[in-house]
Amino acid sequence: AQSVAQPEDQVNVAEGNPLTVKCTYSVSGNPYLFWYVQYPNRGLQFLLKYITGDNLVKGSYGFEAEFNKSQTSFHLKKPSALVSDSALYFCASMNTGFQKLVFGTGTRLLVSP
Amino acid sequence: EAGVAQSPRYKIIEKRQSVAFWCNPISGHATLYWYQQILGQGPKLLIQFQNNGVVDDSQLPKDRFSAERLKGVDSTLKIQPAKLEDSAVYLCASSLEPWGRGSPLHFGNGTRLTVT
Repeated sequence: AQSVAQPEDQVNVAEGNPLTVKCTYSVSGNPYLFWYVQYPNRGLQFLLKYITGDNLVKGSYGFEAEFNKSQTSFHLKKPSALVSDSALYFCASMNTGFQKLVFGTGTRLLVSP
Repeated sequence: EAGVAQSPRYKIIEKRQSVAFWCNPISGHATLYWYQQILGQGPKLLIQFQNNGVVDDSQLPKDRFSAERLKGVDSTLKIQPAKLEDSAVYLCASSLEPWGRGSPLHFGNGTRLTVT
């Protein structure tokens, strides 16, 4: 069965500092991995995905994620955090069959001025 | 392009009442999903449609929840009768490609249901 773990409930970072939000996965076969962001009272917005190819994936708003097969991780990163990045971030995995997307429990990112 | 539309945005009902949510996916998207997001948790898939056929409803509480996607476009999700634990945000999403391609899901803003 596929699953995703986000070990941190909350990540705090100062504006201008680099940020990392952690995610590990358990998927049989080749994983499709995603990051979504959720702002208050809004749906989830797609940030980026890993399907195949380069392990470093670039996405929206300056975010990137690094796929590490040996550590089964897909951490979200940004070189310089903004206060407006404060939101709830979800990692998700998709199987290669019926496109079922399974989410982690989410990590709240708080960027302080 | 227009996004996924959901209505209503908010709904408050008493337990044992019924409620229905509506979703209009992005035009041309073959796959439609309903997710339940309880406060403090990640979204959980309730049901997935491929055109107007059900692909996965393994986590749908079928004794009280039902969903349909007539003509392979709009969809409705119904709860009857509602329980207190059904209080959650119900998210609809759609994706362009049917399967195997890693097509991202596009989400609506959700319907926040409060059962009192």
